[in-house]
Amino acid sequence: SQQGEEDPQALSIQEGENATMNCSYKTSINNLQWYRQNSGRGLVHLILIRSNEREKHSGRLRVTLDTSKKSSSLLITASRAADTASYFCAYGPGANSKLTFGKGITLSVRP
Amino acid sequence: DVKVTQSSRYLVKRTGEKVFLECVQDMDHENMFWYRQDPGLGLRLIYFSYDVKMKEKGDISEGYSVSREKKERFSLILESASTNQTSMYLCASSPGTGTEAFFGQGTRLTVV
Repeated sequence: SQQGEEDPQALSIQEGENATMNCSYKTSINNLQWYRQNSGRGLVHLILIRSNEREKHSGRLRVTLDTSKKSSSLLITASRAADTASYFCAYGPGANSKLTFGKGITLSVRP
Repeated sequence: DVKVTQSSRYLVKRTGEKVFLECVQDMDHENMFWYRQDPGLGLRLIYFSYDVKMKEKGDISEGYSVSREKKERFSLILESASTNQTSMYLCASSPGTGTEAFFGQGTRLTVV
Protein backbone atom coordinates (compact mmCIF):
# COMPACT_ATOMS: atom_id res chain seq x y z
CA SER A 1 0.00 0.00 0.00
CA GLN A 2 1.15 3.53 -0.75
CA GLN A 3 -0.98 4.91 2.04
CA GLY A 4 0.75 7.54 4.13
CA GLU A 5 0.99 7.62 7.89
CA GLU A 6 0.13 10.43 10.24
CA ASP A 7 1.62 10.81 13.68
CA PRO A 8 0.40 10.85 16.37
CA GLN A 9 -2.82 8.94 15.84
CA ALA A 10 -4.53 11.00 18.52
CA LEU A 11 -3.71 14.29 20.17
CA SER A 12 -5.40 16.02 23.09
CA ILE A 13 -4.45 19.58 24.01
CA GLN A 14 -5.77 22.56 25.93
CA GLU A 15 -7.35 25.48 24.14
CA GLY A 16 -4.70 28.06 23.31
CA GLU A 17 -1.90 25.51 22.90
CA ASN A 18 -0.31 24.65 19.57
CA ALA A 19 -0.99 21.36 17.84
CA THR A 20 1.62 19.70 15.66
CA MET A 21 0.76 16.80 13.39
CA ASN A 22 3.12 14.87 11.15
CA CYS A 23 2.67 12.97 7.93
CA SER A 24 5.03 10.58 6.18
CA TYR A 25 4.50 9.33 2.66
CA LYS A 26 6.10 6.73 0.42
CA THR A 27 6.04 7.99 -3.16
CA SER A 28 7.34 10.97 -5.08
CA ILE A 29 4.80 13.75 -4.99
CA ASN A 30 3.63 16.76 -6.92
CA ASN A 31 2.04 18.32 -3.86
CA LEU A 32 0.86 17.51 -0.38
CA GLN A 33 -2.43 18.63 1.10
CA TRP A 34 -4.05 18.68 4.51
CA TYR A 35 -7.75 18.18 5.12
CA ARG A 36 -10.03 18.36 8.14
CA GLN A 37 -13.06 16.21 8.85
CA ASN A 38 -15.64 17.00 11.46
CA SER A 39 -17.41 13.99 12.90
CA GLY A 40 -19.51 12.15 10.33
CA ARG A 41 -19.01 14.72 7.61
CA GLY A 42 -17.06 15.08 4.38
CA LEU A 43 -13.51 16.39 4.28
CA VAL A 44 -12.64 20.06 3.91
CA HIS A 45 -9.42 21.22 2.29
CA LEU A 46 -7.13 23.27 4.53
CA ILE A 47 -3.88 23.92 2.73
CA LEU A 48 -1.75 22.70 -0.18
CA ILE A 49 2.03 22.81 -0.43
CA ARG A 50 3.84 22.06 -3.68
CA SER A 51 6.88 19.82 -3.88
CA ASN A 52 9.18 22.79 -4.59
CA GLU A 53 7.97 24.66 -1.49
CA ARG A 54 9.30 24.15 2.01
CA GLU A 55 6.86 26.10 4.12
CA LYS A 56 3.46 27.69 3.74
CA HIS A 57 1.15 29.67 6.01
CA SER A 58 -2.58 30.21 6.04
CA GLY A 59 -4.07 32.01 9.02
CA ARG A 60 -3.29 29.88 12.10
CA LEU A 61 -1.98 27.04 9.94
CA ARG A 62 1.63 26.44 9.08
CA VAL A 63 2.69 23.50 6.95
CA THR A 64 6.20 22.34 6.16
CA LEU A 65 7.41 19.85 3.61
CA ASP A 66 10.68 17.92 3.54
CA THR A 67 10.82 15.91 0.33
CA SER A 68 14.17 14.36 1.25
CA LYS A 69 12.55 12.77 4.29
CA LYS A 70 9.17 12.32 2.60
CA SER A 71 7.46 14.06 5.47
CA SER A 72 5.25 17.02 6.23
CA SER A 73 4.00 18.68 9.37
CA LEU A 74 0.92 20.75 10.10
CA LEU A 75 1.01 23.23 12.94
CA ILE A 76 -2.18 24.80 14.27
CA THR A 77 -1.35 27.72 16.50
CA ALA A 78 -3.52 29.03 19.37
CA SER A 79 -5.93 26.11 19.06
CA ARG A 80 -9.64 26.48 19.69
CA ALA A 81 -12.30 24.00 20.73
CA ALA A 82 -13.70 24.31 17.20
CA ASP A 83 -10.45 22.80 15.86
CA THR A 84 -11.53 19.45 17.33
CA ALA A 85 -11.69 17.16 14.29
CA SER A 86 -9.78 14.51 12.36
CA TYR A 87 -6.93 15.71 10.16
CA PHE A 88 -5.63 13.93 7.08
CA CYS A 89 -2.69 14.46 4.80
CA ALA A 90 -3.11 13.63 1.12
CA TYR A 91 -0.75 13.57 -1.83
CA GLY A 92 -0.46 12.68 -5.47
CA PRO A 93 2.43 12.08 -7.83
CA GLY A 94 1.31 14.41 -10.57
CA ALA A 95 -0.93 14.85 -13.57
CA ASN A 96 -4.29 13.11 -13.55
CA SER A 97 -3.18 11.07 -10.64
CA LYS A 98 -4.94 9.53 -7.74
CA LEU A 99 -4.96 11.34 -4.44
CA THR A 100 -3.76 9.11 -1.59
CA PHE A 101 -4.80 9.83 1.99
CA GLY A 102 -3.23 8.88 5.27
CA LYS A 103 -5.07 7.24 8.16
CA GLY A 104 -5.77 10.46 9.97
CA ILE A 105 -5.11 12.14 13.31
CA THR A 106 -7.83 12.79 15.86
CA LEU A 107 -7.34 16.15 17.52
CA SER A 108 -9.26 17.05 20.68
CA VAL A 109 -9.01 20.58 21.98
CA ARG A 110 -10.25 20.94 25.54
CA PRO A 111 -11.95 24.23 26.44
CA ASP B 1 -19.19 27.46 -4.15
CA VAL B 2 -18.30 24.04 -5.45
CA LYS B 3 -20.89 21.49 -4.61
CA VAL B 4 -20.43 17.75 -4.59
CA THR B 5 -23.66 15.95 -3.89
CA GLN B 6 -24.04 12.32 -2.95
CA SER B 7 -27.48 10.89 -3.51
CA SER B 8 -27.99 9.43 -0.02
CA ARG B 9 -26.65 10.10 3.47
CA TYR B 10 -27.70 6.71 4.80
CA LEU B 11 -28.43 3.50 2.94
CA VAL B 12 -29.31 0.00 4.09
CA LYS B 13 -29.07 -2.84 1.58
CA ARG B 14 -29.27 -6.61 1.70
CA THR B 15 -26.42 -8.99 0.96
CA GLY B 16 -26.27 -9.82 -2.74
CA GLU B 17 -28.07 -6.69 -3.92
CA LYS B 18 -26.62 -4.52 -6.64
CA VAL B 19 -26.07 -1.08 -5.12
CA PHE B 20 -25.61 2.24 -6.89
CA LEU B 21 -24.06 5.24 -5.16
CA GLU B 22 -24.40 8.44 -7.13
CA CYS B 23 -22.23 11.53 -7.02
CA VAL B 24 -22.73 14.78 -8.90
CA GLN B 25 -20.47 17.84 -9.02
CA ASP B 26 -21.45 21.20 -10.41
CA MET B 27 -18.09 22.79 -11.24
CA ASP B 28 -17.01 21.04 -14.43
CA HIS B 29 -14.16 19.27 -12.65
CA GLU B 30 -12.03 16.83 -14.62
CA ASN B 31 -11.20 14.44 -11.78
CA MET B 32 -13.59 12.49 -9.61
CA PHE B 33 -12.85 9.99 -6.88
CA TRP B 34 -14.56 7.37 -4.74
CA TYR B 35 -13.13 6.50 -1.32
CA ARG B 36 -14.28 4.36 1.52
CA GLN B 37 -13.51 5.29 5.09
CA ASP B 38 -13.24 2.79 7.91
CA PRO B 39 -12.13 3.36 11.51
CA GLY B 40 -8.37 3.05 11.88
CA LEU B 41 -7.84 2.72 8.12
CA GLY B 42 -8.43 6.28 6.98
CA LEU B 43 -9.56 6.89 3.42
CA ARG B 44 -8.79 4.27 0.85
CA LEU B 45 -9.22 4.91 -2.86
CA ILE B 46 -11.64 2.67 -4.70
CA TYR B 47 -11.64 4.25 -8.17
CA PHE B 48 -10.84 7.55 -9.77
CA SER B 49 -11.69 9.10 -13.11
CA TYR B 50 -9.77 11.86 -14.87
CA ASP B 51 -12.14 12.29 -17.80
CA VAL B 52 -15.47 11.11 -19.09
CA LYS B 53 -15.45 7.35 -19.59
CA MET B 54 -11.90 7.16 -18.23
CA LYS B 55 -11.33 5.33 -15.00
CA GLU B 56 -8.52 3.79 -13.02
CA LYS B 57 -8.56 1.34 -10.17
CA GLY B 58 -7.54 2.47 -6.76
CA ASP B 59 -6.18 0.40 -3.93
CA ILE B 60 -9.34 -1.55 -3.09
CA SER B 61 -11.37 -1.85 -6.31
CA GLU B 62 -12.34 -5.52 -6.00
CA GLY B 63 -16.11 -5.90 -5.71
CA TYR B 64 -16.72 -2.42 -7.09
CA SER B 65 -17.15 -0.85 -10.49
CA VAL B 66 -17.77 2.71 -11.64
CA SER B 67 -19.44 4.61 -14.41
CA ARG B 68 -18.77 8.09 -15.73
CA GLU B 69 -20.94 8.73 -18.77
CA LYS B 70 -21.13 12.47 -18.15
CA LYS B 71 -18.50 14.77 -16.72
CA GLU B 72 -20.55 15.82 -13.73
CA ARG B 73 -21.65 12.37 -12.57
CA PHE B 74 -19.57 9.52 -11.15
CA SER B 75 -21.38 6.41 -9.97
CA LEU B 76 -20.03 3.69 -7.74
CA ILE B 77 -21.54 0.24 -8.19
CA LEU B 78 -21.37 -2.62 -5.75
CA GLU B 79 -22.01 -5.58 -8.00
CA SER B 80 -23.16 -7.91 -5.22
CA ALA B 81 -23.14 -6.22 -1.84
CA SER B 82 -21.48 -8.01 1.02
CA THR B 83 -21.37 -7.24 4.74
CA ASN B 84 -17.68 -6.30 4.53
CA GLN B 85 -18.68 -3.42 2.27
CA THR B 86 -20.49 -1.76 5.15
CA SER B 87 -18.66 1.55 5.35
CA MET B 88 -18.72 5.30 4.82
CA TYR B 89 -18.33 6.14 1.14
CA LEU B 90 -16.96 9.52 0.14
CA CYS B 91 -17.02 11.06 -3.31
CA ALA B 92 -14.71 13.92 -4.31
CA SER B 93 -13.89 16.01 -7.35
CA SER B 94 -10.99 18.24 -8.31
CA PRO B 95 -10.28 20.57 -11.22
CA GLY B 96 -7.09 18.85 -12.28
CA THR B 97 -3.44 18.41 -11.55
CA GLY B 98 -2.20 19.35 -8.12
CA THR B 99 -5.36 20.98 -6.91
CA GLU B 100 -7.58 20.60 -3.90
CA ALA B 101 -10.36 18.06 -3.82
CA PHE B 102 -13.91 18.88 -2.84
CA PHE B 103 -15.85 16.25 -0.95
CA GLY B 104 -19.47 15.27 -0.71
CA GLN B 105 -21.10 14.72 2.66
CA GLY B 106 -20.64 10.96 2.51
CA THR B 107 -22.96 7.96 2.29
CA ARG B 108 -23.03 5.59 5.22
CA LEU B 109 -23.87 2.21 3.71
CA THR B 110 -24.94 -0.72 5.84
CA VAL B 111 -25.18 -4.15 4.22
CA VAL B 112 -27.25 -6.62 6.21
